[in-house]
Amino acid sequence: DGGITQSPKYLFRKEGQNVTLSCEQNLNHDAMYWYRQDPGQGLRLIYYSQIVNDFQKGDIAEGYSVSREKKESFPLTVTSAQKNPTAFYLCASRPSGGPTVAQYFGPGTRLTVL
Amino acid sequence: GDSVTQMEGPVTLSEEAFLTINCTYTATGYPSLFWYVQYPGEGLQLLLKATKADDKGSNKGFEATYRKETTSFHLEKGSVQVSDSAVYFCALGGFGNEKLTFGTGTRLTIIP
Repeated sequence: DGGITQSPKYLFRKEGQNVTLSCEQNLNHDAMYWYRQDPGQGLRLIYYSQIVNDFQKGDIAEGYSVSREKKESFPLTVTSAQKNPTAFYLCASRPSGGPTVAQYFGPGTRLTVL
Repeated sequence: GDSVTQMEGPVTLSEEAFLTINCTYTATGYPSLFWYVQYPGEGLQLLLKATKADDKGSNKGFEATYRKETTSFHLEKGSVQVSDSAVYFCALGGFGNEKLTFGTGTRLTIIP
């Protein structure tokens, strides 16, 4: 089955530790995205990548880092510099084709920093 | 810049009631418009989309019409079910832009 997988579903970390969230897609999509969702709020874009080995900052990139070494993978690292990392993190992908093409989302990872 | 304004929630309706969730947007050019649905603890699922003025997107009994004159894309359903309880997001894909702009979401609860 084609789709986007995020692992793990729940993640707990101690304050001050870096943590990496996984996102893999087998849809052959060119672009991939990371969003953060806080309770009662919309989605905020962290980073996105339109092509392998290239990525751009979104609206709230501070304290996060990404890599795009393979088309199907776009891991997100939440560093200790991120002030409030506890949130629900969503990965998405889309094929190329301009603004008429929708993004497709993974199931999300809920990160809790203790 | 681009923006999306959604109806404030939460919205609570009885089963079989008529649903409207308002969405208006601000954008340059000719954006594409989307509705996504998020069930508890899950990611977002694409519900429907419209890519040009007067287009109507539809799926699972939900409909939305792209109204350029009122810059709106309101979501409607004639008879809601308990299983429709979720958070609904309106989103805009700007012309020449690979990113989506999301509204803040509207939580819908349907009571039997």
